[in-house]
Amino acid sequence: EAQVTQNPRYLITVTGKKLTVTCSQNMNHEYMSWYRQDPGLGLRQIYYSMNVEVTDKGDVPEGYKVSRKEKRNFPLILESPSPNQTSLYFCASKQGARSEAFFGQGTRLTVV
Amino acid sequence: RKEVEQDPGPFNVPEGATVAFNCTYSNSASQSFFWYRQDCRKEPKLLMSVYSSGNEDGRFTAQLNRASQYISLLIRDSKLSDSATYLCVVNILGGGADGLTFGKGTHLIIQP
Repeated sequence: EAQVTQNPRYLITVTGKKLTVTCSQNMNHEYMSWYRQDPGLGLRQIYYSMNVEVTDKGDVPEGYKVSRKEKRNFPLILESPSPNQTSLYFCASKQGARSEAFFGQGTRLTVV
Repeated sequence: RKEVEQDPGPFNVPEGATVAFNCTYSNSASQSFFWYRQDCRKEPKLLMSVYSSGNEDGRFTAQLNRASQYISLLIRDSKLSDSATYLCVVNILGGGADGLTFGKGTHLIIQP
């Protein structure tokens, strides 16, 4: 089954404790991206990648890191999480520049 | 001016009625267009792509007006299960990002 898989689905952590949210897609898509979604603000892009070893900042990259060492994986790293990073996070992938995006099931992160 | 604008609603509509909502986009370089559906706290899922000639999928009809820079979604014979948030998504090529720009969504509530 074609899918984008994120883990974990739910995470509660403390301020400053490094964490990684994994994202994997099995559709051989070129593009992958991370979004956060907050009430009233809609989906905001954090980082995106157009291919292996090619990543770039989205609209809200501060406090986040990503890597794209393999085509299928695009982990999101929070080196020192803060409470303002409490949010619902989505990973997405798409085949090409004009293509529709497929989303993972989301990760609900709470930083206390 | 926001790149993709939608009326947030909520639209409260009786079951069986027809409902339509629009989305406007500001960038004339927009190349592809989509409607996504998002249920509460779930991932956005592609409802339908929007083609220049307009397209229909069962009870759903999408149309694109390039001259006026808007897309529309029409839902006929609405069902309780149509209650969701509908996201307008525009793919803008060039500019350094991966292209996808999301509206904040229109919240639809179908009432029995």
